[in-house]
Amino acid sequence: DAGVIQSPRHEVTEMGQEVTLRCKPISGHDYLFWYRQTMMRGLELLIYFNNNVPIDDSGMPEDRFSAKMPNASFSTLKIQPSEPRDSAVYFCASSLQTGANMNTEAFFGQGTRLTVV
Amino acid sequence: GIQVEQSPPDLILQEGANSTLRCNFSDSVNNLQWFHQNPWGQLINLFYIPSGTKQNGRLSATTVATERYSLLYISSSQTTDSGVYFCAVDPHANTGNQFYFGTGTSLTVIP
Repeated sequence: DAGVIQSPRHEVTEMGQEVTLRCKPISGHDYLFWYRQTMMRGLELLIYFNNNVPIDDSGMPEDRFSAKMPNASFSTLKIQPSEPRDSAVYFCASSLQTGANMNTEAFFGQGTRLTVV
Repeated sequence: GIQVEQSPPDLILQEGANSTLRCNFSDSVNNLQWFHQNPWGQLINLFYIPSGTKQNGRLSATTVATERYSLLYISSSQTTDSGVYFCAVDPHANTGNQFYFGTGTSLTVIP
């Protein structure tokens, strides 16, 4: 498997514009996570899905952020409108639960470095 | 939420030296992973280690879940080991890997 694939790798946009980040999880994985990394807050979980259903979005900072998972092989994180403080590296990760309390390790994509000017 | 503390925050080593990185966490965990973030920003899996000891080449890790800490050992360090090492824990059951990350240990290996 090619691992978790994110696109684009880099995105530079102007304040107020809509930004869409994309993620393809590892085939067969049933959990998908979106994390954000900033200097101030480190790595923090934004939202996660199980079998394409959003389970916990309490980490999403504002209503400007939204995430979808229309099928098992694709997820998007959208910011509309974007602001300079959204500048960060956004990571997508996936993992598989093999049984009750039995999770396999999580794998991360290469991240999308977002700069909002 | 669970607190994850890593030490030391920064570490500079001469090539060939050994080191121990520590991760303390404030509550019981269902999963623990160590990652290496390389200078290009990639998060590389090192160990999936909710308990016990594992070894992979020059690296090994031990998690003592009952005492709420994990250690990452790097032996015979190389310049390519430079980067930031993160400990990530998931205190939940049946939630995939809902991680809380430590603030990392920044390692610089000099030739």
